[in-house]
Amino acid sequence: AQKITQTQPGMFVQEKEAVTLDCTYDTSDPSYGLFWYKQPSSGEMIFLIYQGSYDQQNATEGRYSLNFQKARKSANLVISASQLGDSAMYFCAMRELGTGNQFYFGTGTSLTVIP
Amino acid sequence: NAGVTQTPKFQVLKTGQSMTLQCAQDMNHNSMYWYRQDPGMGLRLIYYSASEGTTDKGEVPNGYNVSRLNKREFSLRLESAAPSQTSVYFCASSEELRTIYFGEGSWLTVV
Repeated sequence: AQKITQTQPGMFVQEKEAVTLDCTYDTSDPSYGLFWYKQPSSGEMIFLIYQGSYDQQNATEGRYSLNFQKARKSANLVISASQLGDSAMYFCAMRELGTGNQFYFGTGTSLTVIP
Repeated sequence: NAGVTQTPKFQVLKTGQSMTLQCAQDMNHNSMYWYRQDPGMGLRLIYYSASEGTTDKGEVPNGYNVSRLNKREFSLRLESAAPSQTSVYFCASSEELRTIYFGEGSWLTVV
C-alpha cells in the first residue's frame, strides 16, 4: 500500500487566490511527522512545513498552512495568496518514528499559477 | 552554508560502466539517504544510513551499493550502469525528526 498518496497530478490557480494540495497517508505508527516540499524547475528540494502527529494545532509558515485531519489521515497543504513563483512541483512526505529513518514521498502535484 | 553537497551534478554513462556519486554534509548529521527521482514516481529511497558504519536498503536498492565512509560522507555506486538507472539522484541528511536536508541533485543519463 502507498504510504503517501497525492491524487492531483496537476493543479492551476489564479494569482492571489488560495489553493489546496491534497495528501493522504497510511501508517499504524502513532508517532510520525508530515512534511511538504517544493521543487521548482531548477530541481532543488525546498522544505516548506512540518506537522507532528501529536501537534495540537495545524502548522503554519507564512503563506503555507497544513490542514491536518488525523482521523482522516490527511495533511493538505494550503497556499494563500498564490504568487507566480509558487509554480512548482509539491511533494508530501511522511516519516514514521518506528522505522526511524525512512522518509516516504508522494508522487507530487504540479502547481501552475496563472497571472 | 554548504549543507549537503553532491557530485557530479551531471553525468553521462555508457551501459555497463561504473561510477560513484559522492555526497558530503557539514551539519554533523547521523542519518544520510540516497533517493532517485523519476517522472511520475516521486522520490524513492535507494539506501539510507542511520549512523556511521551502518547502511540499510530502501525501496529500490537493486543495482546500487553504498558506503558510509565517515559521518560526513555517504557515496552511491553503480557497478554496471543500465539505462533504467537514468534518473535524478538526491542525497539528503537528517538529525532532528522534523527536518531533512537535500543536496541539489545529480542528473545521470545511461546510454
